[in-house]
Amino acid sequence: EAGVAQSPRYKIIEKRQSVAFWCNPISGHATLYWYQQILGQGPKLLIQFQNNGVVDDSQLPKDRFSAERLKGVDSTLKIQPAKLEDSAVYLCASSLSSVTYGYTFGSGTRLTVV
Amino acid sequence: GESVGLHLPTLSVQEGDNSIINCAYSNSASDYFIWYKQESGKGPQFIIDIRSNMDKRQGQRVTVLLNKTVKHLSLQIAATQPGDSAVYFCAENTGGFKTIFGAGTRLFVKA
Repeated sequence: EAGVAQSPRYKIIEKRQSVAFWCNPISGHATLYWYQQILGQGPKLLIQFQNNGVVDDSQLPKDRFSAERLKGVDSTLKIQPAKLEDSAVYLCASSLSSVTYGYTFGSGTRLTVV
Repeated sequence: GESVGLHLPTLSVQEGDNSIINCAYSNSASDYFIWYKQESGKGPQFIIDIRSNMDKRQGQRVTVLLNKTVKHLSLQIAATQPGDSAVYFCAENTGGFKTIFGAGTRLFVKA
């Protein structure tokens, strides 16, 4: 089966600019996750979707981050405006359901804010 | 390739030796634990999992041990190979859907 697809692979922007990341989960996976991984740390959950509804966004900095999953398939994560501390790898993962704990991760988007 | 983490705890082992990677988890209510492997430039990859009603689980060349008394988890890799070089994360789940990742350990395999 095809894996979790993410784009772009790399992005460099200046602080205060906007950026968007795209994720296409594995076909049939109802649950989609966005994680932020800062260099040297483990991934941190930003938001979880079940189909097109948000299950958990408690760690999403909502003043600058937003995410949507229209039609319950693809998802986009946006940062506006970006700060230097947003430099990280943004990982998308999917699973069959919210009670399926083993996720499949994409390769991520490496964001550098300068 | 790009580095996943530059300041992680590091374990260096000789090819063919066994590796043991340790992890301390934080929440005594966590009931499900997962080990992930992350190679440079890639997302984490599921290796093996264990539920809190078990203390040992074996896979292909890997064994996970769980000690709930001291909240400790370990991953044992038998006959370590160069392809095992990566960052290894333990993750815990507390009866729901939120999985919390540890900081990771970088494994170097010397040929």
